[in-house]
Amino acid sequence: SAVISQKPSRDICQRGTSLTIQCQVDSQVTMMFWYRQQPGQSLTLIATANQGSEATYESGFVIDKFPISRPNLTFSTLTVSNMSPEDSSIYLCSVEGGRSGNTIYFGEGSWLTVV
Amino acid sequence: ELKVEQNPLFLSMQEGKNYTIYCNYSTTSDRLYWYRQDPGKSLESLFVLLSNGAVKQEGRLMASLDTKARLSTLHITAAVHDLSATYFCAVDIPGTYKYIFGTGTRLKVLA
Repeated sequence: SAVISQKPSRDICQRGTSLTIQCQVDSQVTMMFWYRQQPGQSLTLIATANQGSEATYESGFVIDKFPISRPNLTFSTLTVSNMSPEDSSIYLCSVEGGRSGNTIYFGEGSWLTVV
Repeated sequence: ELKVEQNPLFLSMQEGKNYTIYCNYSTTSDRLYWYRQDPGKSLESLFVLLSNGAVKQEGRLMASLDTKARLSTLHITAAVHDLSATYFCAVDIPGTYKYIFGTGTRLKVLA
């Protein structure tokens, strides 16, 4: 199994500021995924991060708002830029793993509240 | 567009009762996942279903997959309070590395 650590676990942020979330995996993985879960909602994929290339963003998410770095095979960051209250969400880092890559593992999540 | 719908969205049930949560998806998929999320927590993997007719059981939970009907079920047997949580199904989009999550079912088991 993969163990994923996310930082920060929680934060309260001021409107207009930016915050960077870190995701560390205990093994090398090709792809890392960033999800957003708004209060009471399901998970929505923000982007997929491959090491050594630009992240691929889903419809409705743009690099200027959610820049992502993927400097190596065990680490990624997601920045939430120029935050507004609508960005208050849980942000989750995820990887595929298991013997056949058939399991999705999630970090503990980063709970952001924008005031 | 791939859609994944769960029903019910909310479920309140008495301890000891049985119930089934349904997960319908709109296109073919190779894998289906069930997750549990407790309040204030991340997602915990429950089951991975990889083929038509697959059935997996863990404790009071049993998941099945019918790829022809594009339907998965999560059956709860003799519910206990500890099963109170939100349950999500997720399917992969064939040919991609992406997963789409269902709407979620918030389960509350009443003592």
